[in-house]
Amino acid sequence: EIVLTQSPGTLSMSPGERVTLSCRASQSVDRNYFAWLQQKPGQAPRLLIYGISSRATGTPDRFSGSGSGTDFTLTISRLEPEDFAVYYCLQYGHSPRTFGQGTTVEIK
Amino acid sequence: QVQLLESGPGLVRPSETLSLTCSLSGGSMSPYKWTWLRQPPGKGLEWIGYSYSSGDTNYNPSLWSRVTISVDTSKNQFSLTLTSVTTADTAVYYCAREWSSFDHWGLGTLVTVSS
Repeated sequence: EIVLTQSPGTLSMSPGERVTLSCRASQSVDRNYFAWLQQKPGQAPRLLIYGISSRATGTPDRFSGSGSGTDFTLTISRLEPEDFAVYYCLQYGHSPRTFGQGTTVEIK
Repeated sequence: QVQLLESGPGLVRPSETLSLTCSLSGGSMSPYKWTWLRQPPGKGLEWIGYSYSSGDTNYNPSLWSRVTISVDTSKNQFSLTLTSVTTADTAVYYCAREWSSFDHWGLGTLVTVSS
């Protein structure tokens, strides 16, 4: 099983700031099958990024994904009020599909 | 557009069987992977498994002995059965479509295991 480790656990940020979230995999992720989800309280997760760097339908272009192999990054270029949420990385190239433990982006 | 909606009992007794259904509207069942995931209160996400409309399945090894996922294409539905539940199975259960990752999700349904 691929273990995904996200850092940091919590980020305290202000609107307008640039945010970088990291995710490291315990082994290389096949076929670039790596994604990021956003979850707000009381809501289902929402797909933001798939295939490492492709934006899902409706994802604003302030969100960008990068990385390869075992190290991946989600960047929010300029935080908007609606971006305060929990972000999960996941890999879907291997079974079982696995998730990181989440990074909370909170208002400073 | 594609919409998914979970349904089923919100309370299950320990040692009994949890059964949920996910209804699909606005799309077809082929060629996607129809997936169940869960999230214990205040915790992270866990992948349970998926089924194709053909019936081919893939389950999380941590649950495989207790899980069945099946698809009914005539009703545009797929189902989750989890046997011998314990309090550790208390969670919000989500159905989702896997294509380019998990690109469509249901709203989720809370299932509590308690006597």
